[in-house]
Amino acid sequence: GAVVSQHPSWVICKSGTSVKIECRSLDFQATTMFWYRQFPKQSLMLMATSNEGSKATYEQGVEKDKFLINHASLTLSTLTVTSAHPEDSSFYICSARDPAQGGYSGYTFGSGTRLTVV
Amino acid sequence: GENVEQHPSTLSVQEGDSAVIKCTYSDSASNYFPWYKQELGKGPQLIIDIRSNVGEKKDQRIAVTLNKTAKHFSLHITETQPEDSAVYFCAASNTDKLIFGTGTRLQVFP
Repeated sequence: GAVVSQHPSWVICKSGTSVKIECRSLDFQATTMFWYRQFPKQSLMLMATSNEGSKATYEQGVEKDKFLINHASLTLSTLTVTSAHPEDSSFYICSARDPAQGGYSGYTFGSGTRLTVV
Repeated sequence: GENVEQHPSTLSVQEGDSAVIKCTYSDSASNYFPWYKQELGKGPQLIIDIRSNVGEKKDQRIAVTLNKTAKHFSLHITETQPEDSAVYFCAASNTDKLIFGTGTRLQVFP
């Protein structure tokens, strides 16, 4: 089945630095990937839709200059948290849809990245 | 936009009993309803999904029902096992985006 690899699985960074998270579709090409944020014991909140070869579409309230998304190839999207602060600490999860599965199904999630800003 | 509500937030059952989780959605145009299982520290895993042209779908111990008129759908797990313990999320979509419910923490006691 479709596999989405996310890296790193966890990262600790100092306040003010930037962190990059990678999301790869391993056995399919994904023109669209999605980035979610999840606080402890809460649901997944969609942050942005990453479109290959074009700008990402951000959800209302998500700072695009804070969360930079790049989708330079059909198998890789990156999320960079810039000038991280402790309140950015969260679990970030990416998702990709395998177009071969048709319709709106076929979403596969990565294993998530736990970001801790100290 | 779409809004998905999920109940209950926590559910404890004895091993072998059934568990039912319910979700309601607001957008009548939504046509795809997946259910995900999330274990601690991991990403969500799809366990079953249903499309709006189907009323019920079953896969071994797991079933999902959809009532389009009432705009609600439910997850049914029969013969629960301790390894079913996890957080379960419903979701709804009518576009490329999935909107998630608030999650249900299921605990199955041996």
